[in-house]
Amino acid sequence: GAVVSQHPSRVICKSGTSVKIECRSLDFQATTMFWYRQFPKKSLMLMATSNEGSKATYEQGVEKDKFLINHASLTLSTLTVTSAHPEDSSFYICSARGDYNEKLFFGSGTQLSVL
Amino acid sequence: SQQGEEDPQALSIQEGENATMNCSYKTSINNLQWYRQNSGRGLVHLILIRSNEREKHSGRLRVTLDTSKKSSSLLITASRAADTASYFCATVSGYSTLTFGKGTMLLVSP
Repeated sequence: GAVVSQHPSRVICKSGTSVKIECRSLDFQATTMFWYRQFPKKSLMLMATSNEGSKATYEQGVEKDKFLINHASLTLSTLTVTSAHPEDSSFYICSARGDYNEKLFFGSGTQLSVL
Repeated sequence: SQQGEEDPQALSIQEGENATMNCSYKTSINNLQWYRQNSGRGLVHLILIRSNEREKHSGRLRVTLDTSKKSSSLLITASRAADTASYFCATVSGYSTLTFGKGTMLLVSP
């Protein structure tokens, strides 16, 4: 199946710093990528949908200035958590979908811990 | 907003037993998908069933869909310890994003 690579898998940072998470589709062109946030033992919460070359669409309640998403190419989307605070600590997962593909292919997730 | 709701929230069984998880949803769908997540990892697609299908098989997995009741079930037969994971159902309406349920945590003991 298709492979989505997410990096880094774990990051620990100080409060106030910015953290960038990368999501790459390795063997297909991802016209749409999704960013999710997941709390322990909870479901995935969709944060935003990004389409290559256009601005991301954010879900209600998600601050677009805090969670910057860039989908500059058909194989790469990045999520930058700006001025991270302890409440931003969470598991972030990206997923990608190609044209006419109903399935999502997920990255392995990034565990963010903000001290 | 949450669309799918799985039950039970947690299920503990012995190896060799069957595991059944259920998913209910609220609005009409194009398809329903089941995913698996190992702890601290991303999700892996297991199976997709379309709204005009009633049952689908893939290896030890059997999925049913009842659109009149807006529910689906995932059956894992002859479970193994390696099946221990969280299982999520996700629904698609139109060509929209998947909406995930809260998941069922399955523990299979040797």
